[in-house]
Amino acid sequence: TQLLEQSPQFLSIQEGENLTVYCNSSSVFSSLQWYRQEPGEGPVLLVTVVTGGEVKKLKRLTFQFGDARKDSSLHITAAQPGDTGLYLCAGARGSGNTGKLIFGQGTTLQVKP
Amino acid sequence: DTGVSQDPRHKITKRGQNVTFRCDPISEHNRLYWYRQTLGQGPEFLTYFQNEAQLEKSRLLSDRFSAERPKGSFSTLEIQRTEQGDSAMYLCASSRGQTEQYFGPGTRLTVT
Repeated sequence: TQLLEQSPQFLSIQEGENLTVYCNSSSVFSSLQWYRQEPGEGPVLLVTVVTGGEVKKLKRLTFQFGDARKDSSLHITAAQPGDTGLYLCAGARGSGNTGKLIFGQGTTLQVKP
Repeated sequence: DTGVSQDPRHKITKRGQNVTFRCDPISEHNRLYWYRQTLGQGPEFLTYFQNEAQLEKSRLLSDRFSAERPKGSFSTLEIQRTEQGDSAMYLCASSRGQTEQYFGPGTRLTVT
């Protein structure tokens, strides 16, 4: 059972375009993290969101946590070839939990120059 | 501050052999996690340590898998009698309490 569903799974766009990746669940998470992973490497943490409705910006990347803390989105403005990679969302359950992360299946982004 | 390191980065082994991977977490991180990632999928949780205590193991961790963190610092993950289905990227992550997890570069295992 996939607790976190990411969409789309694959995205190929031209440099300069905007895009949004979605991460949805029927479960509530205490926090949600977004990672970017390059082939043959481990995931690199981009951001953590913890409050329902929270919006965080990281240069051209905007992250939002849903009001009910069940979903999140990642929006990239004016994508660049350097944004190419696998984007993963990962949710953590409430306090007292191990803190283990439940990952979505990832969104593979290709930005063509 | 160095990040999480893993050794080896790549391991090719024949079916039936035993393999051991090592993870060195970020210093002073008391929590250490092991995950497994297969091609086209997100990482899946395997096990978790708080200091030297192994506090949770996934059902994915069969009897052939064992993990240790003897002094609450580095950890090892051993797979006995490897099977082709064990081929995957094995990822280690560490955190200070229930904060963000930082991942190592992973160990890519190929079982032939």
